[in-house]
Order: sequence, then C-alpha cells, then structure tokens
Amino acid sequence: SQQGEEDPQALSIQEGENATMNCSYKTSINNLQWYRQNSGRGLVHLILIRSNEREKHSGRLRVTLDTSKKSSSLLITASRAADTASYFCATDERAGTALIFGKGTTLSVSS
Amino acid sequence: DADVTQTPRNRITKTGKRIMLECSQTKGHDRMYWYRQDPGLGLRLIYYSFDVKDINKGEISDGYSVSRQAQAKFSLSLESAIPNQTALYFCATMAGGKPDTQYFGPGTRLTVL
Repeated sequence: SQQGEEDPQALSIQEGENATMNCSYKTSINNLQWYRQNSGRGLVHLILIRSNEREKHSGRLRVTLDTSKKSSSLLITASRAADTASYFCATDERAGTALIFGKGTTLSVSS
Repeated sequence: DADVTQTPRNRITKTGKRIMLECSQTKGHDRMYWYRQDPGLGLRLIYYSFDVKDINKGEISDGYSVSRQAQAKFSLSLESAIPNQTALYFCATMAGGKPDTQYFGPGTRLTVL
C-alpha cells in the first residue's frame, strides 16, 4: 500500500500567492522527498529532507518534516503559472531502497 | 541527450498480446525501477533492481516480468496484456548505497484494448 498521502488532492491559487501541500506517512522513514510532475511527463526531484532534519529550503521551496506526527509540508512561495503541476511526496524506510510515492497534489496557478 | 530513455513512448495493443517496454540510462546508476501511474492513484512500484543479478518485486508485480540485461538496461514485459494494465509506465534510476534522488524517464503510455 502507499506510504504517503498528500493533502489537498487539488489546489487552485492565483499567481503571487503561496501554495502549501501536506504529506502524511505511516511508518518510520529514512528520508522524505518531494517530486514534481508536469502533465503526463516524468517526475522531477525537488528536494530531499532527512529524518533528522526539521526544515529545508531550496529557492522558493520550503519543506518541513515532523517525524512525531509523521507529516511533511511543501511550501511554494510567490507562485507562478509555471508552477502548475502535480506534486508528490516519496519516502523510503531504508536508505537507497525503493521509494513509496503518495497520490499527489495537483496545483493550478492562474495568472 | 536524455539520461533516462524509454521506448516506445506510446503503444496501443490488444488483449492477450505480449508487450515489452524498454528503459536505458546513461547515468551509470546501479538501481533501476519500474512504476505505473493511474489517475488518482499516484505511482505504484512494479519491480526494482539493485544490479544485474538482483531483481525485486514491488507492490504490484503480478502480470509483469522484468529483465536487467545490463547495468544500463531494464525491460518490463507484459506476457499477456489485459485492459486494466492500461496506464502510464515510468522507469527510474538511482545511485546505490545512500539516500538519493530518483531520475525518471519520460514515460510510456500503454493502452490495452
């Protein structure tokens, strides 16, 4: 069964607004990653946060991890139309093993 | 050139036919993966391989088989395709031995009639 569960399933915002997506997972993890998928295309890695980290930044992306709640959030600040895509969280229970993906959040940013 | 390539990109076939999807990579990664994606279900792992001699079943391996012909090549076969195998199939690679990112191919859209 799938490990991660993103929330919300779909999110629509205006350009310039912030977008927040959440991911909950079931078992202990080694690290958590976020990926982006443009419609019908392959996934692209965005950011990785290790289980001993609480927050990480990359450009307009901010990821938090709360292992006590088994949850993570992805914040995209000052959204652009080009951010329109599906976003997936992925976890692994052991380093370097198979990733388990959630069902994704579909983000739509209108100009 | 793309680091992870998949062929074919699109395929329409009939129930009962044998289909092979191929994946090649130039990243030099040991680990390769096959996923399928269905609307609303995200990505589900079919098979993965840590090296040429190491093949592992994923969450949904029934009805599929794989072959790791070389470090750079990992093929997925549907021995007798059925309509509920209609999906988008992705190959991915990852360097071994440490927490790392996966690199995805562009996907193969398979339709089984």
